[in-house]
Amino acid sequence: AQTVTQSQPEMSVQEAETVTLSCTYDTSESDYYLFWYKQPPSRQMILVIRQEAYKQQNATENRFSVNFQKAAKSFSLKISDSQLGDAAMYFCAYFGTNAGKSTFGDGTTLTVKP
Amino acid sequence: GAVVSQHPSWVICKSGTSVKIECRSLDFQATTMFWYRQFPKQSLMLMATSNEGSKATYEQGVEKDKFLINHASLTLSTLTVTSAHPEDSSFYICSALLGGPNQPQHFGDGTRLSIL
Repeated sequence: AQTVTQSQPEMSVQEAETVTLSCTYDTSESDYYLFWYKQPPSRQMILVIRQEAYKQQNATENRFSVNFQKAAKSFSLKISDSQLGDAAMYFCAYFGTNAGKSTFGDGTTLTVKP
Repeated sequence: GAVVSQHPSWVICKSGTSVKIECRSLDFQATTMFWYRQFPKQSLMLMATSNEGSKATYEQGVEKDKFLINHASLTLSTLTVTSAHPEDSSFYICSALLGGPNQPQHFGDGTRLSIL
């Protein structure tokens, strides 16, 4: 079974600074997709960024970028120029094409200090 | 963008009552929908995968007779918590898959279920 590990239960960053959230996963599949979701206090799940495993280029979405290391099975999220609105719980998710379902990490609660 | 509507957003009911939660894809057809349960400050736990026109696939440890899932159309899946008890109180979230696995899941806003 696939597992997703987020080793940082909580992280804190100063406004305008950069923070990196870590995520590792374990799989024997070759075809899969990785996602980062944000869940603010409203509890709505919001897609932050996604990465196809077959793509070597790291995905980027404005202030959000990933460092995808396929061999190491690592998928970290970097948030640049952190804003107060970035405060939320962040989930790393793996979607395997064989299983056809997602596995989520335990989440990292990000606090942004003004 | 694609929108998933989940209803109700919050329900409080007495122990022993059955509660139905609806998950609708508003502007796309979803052959696959997922149902999750989330405890406070914890991760999403997949309960079952709902496929249109067939029986849902439940995850290990999830009681099929307790959590009834029906996916009768390409835009609607329902989760019924039968004879709910206080331990069933939780946050339930549905999601719909648009297209292939390279597409992200589109989540409903969740349902907060409180059983007295």
